[in-house]
Amino acid sequence: GAGVSQSPRYKVAKRGQDVALRCDPISGHVSLFWYQQALGQGPEFLTYFQNEAQLDKSGLPSDRFFAERPEGSVSTLKIQRTQQEDSAVYLCASSLDRAFRLMNTEAFFGQGTRLTVV
Amino acid sequence: KQEVTQIPAALSVPEGENLVLNCSFTDSAIYNLQWFRQDPGKGLTSLLLIQSSQREQTSGRLNASLDKSSGRSTLYIAASQPGDSATYLCAVRPRGNTDKLIFGTGTRLQVFP
Repeated sequence: GAGVSQSPRYKVAKRGQDVALRCDPISGHVSLFWYQQALGQGPEFLTYFQNEAQLDKSGLPSDRFFAERPEGSVSTLKIQRTQQEDSAVYLCASSLDRAFRLMNTEAFFGQGTRLTVV
Repeated sequence: KQEVTQIPAALSVPEGENLVLNCSFTDSAIYNLQWFRQDPGKGLTSLLLIQSSQREQTSGRLNASLDKSSGRSTLYIAASQPGDSATYLCAVRPRGNTDKLIFGTGTRLQVFP
C-alpha cells in the first residue's frame, strides 16, 4: 500500500475486555514496530519484528500485551484484560530493511489507534 | 540509558518568524536522528533524517543540524506559517542490536496569523 495503515482508528473498551489492533505496513517493508504514546508524551517502543520474527519485545509493559506477525506482513497487537492505564495511542511503523540500517532507513508511521479504556 | 529531551515544550509565535527547536540526547552512539511532525489525532510524518556521519539536512523551509559529539540537534523553521502548527518530535536510533527509536516528548508549536 501507499502508507502504513492501522485499524481501528478509535477503540473504546470496557475494563477487562480484550482488544486487537491491526497494522498493515508498507508493502515490502521488512521491519515493523509498535509504539505506545500516552497523552502529552512521545511514543515509547513496545516491540519490533523483522519479517515474522519478533526480535525485541523489551518494551511490552506486561504479559497482557502480545504481538504477532505470522506471515511477515500484517501485524496484530493484542491487549488482554485491558486496564485504564492502557489508554493511549498505539502507533505502528515500518521501515525498509534492517540491513540498510546504515543507510536511509526512515521509519514510516501509521495514523495510530486511539484506545480508551473505561 | 539513552534519554532524549526537547526544549521548549511549547512555543507560540506570530507568522513569519524563524524558529529553532532543540533536541538533546545523552548517548552519542547513534545511527541516525529523525525529526517528525505530529498533527492532533494523527500519526507521525517524517520530516528529516540525519545519518550519524552527517551534519545537516534541508528540506524546503526546514533545516536540521546534528552535533553528535555534544548530543544535540536543532530543527530550524524559516518564515513560519500557521500550517506549521503541530507537535515536533525528535527521535534517535541507538547503535546496537536494537532497531527501536527513542523519542523526546516533543515541542508543541503554534503559529498564529
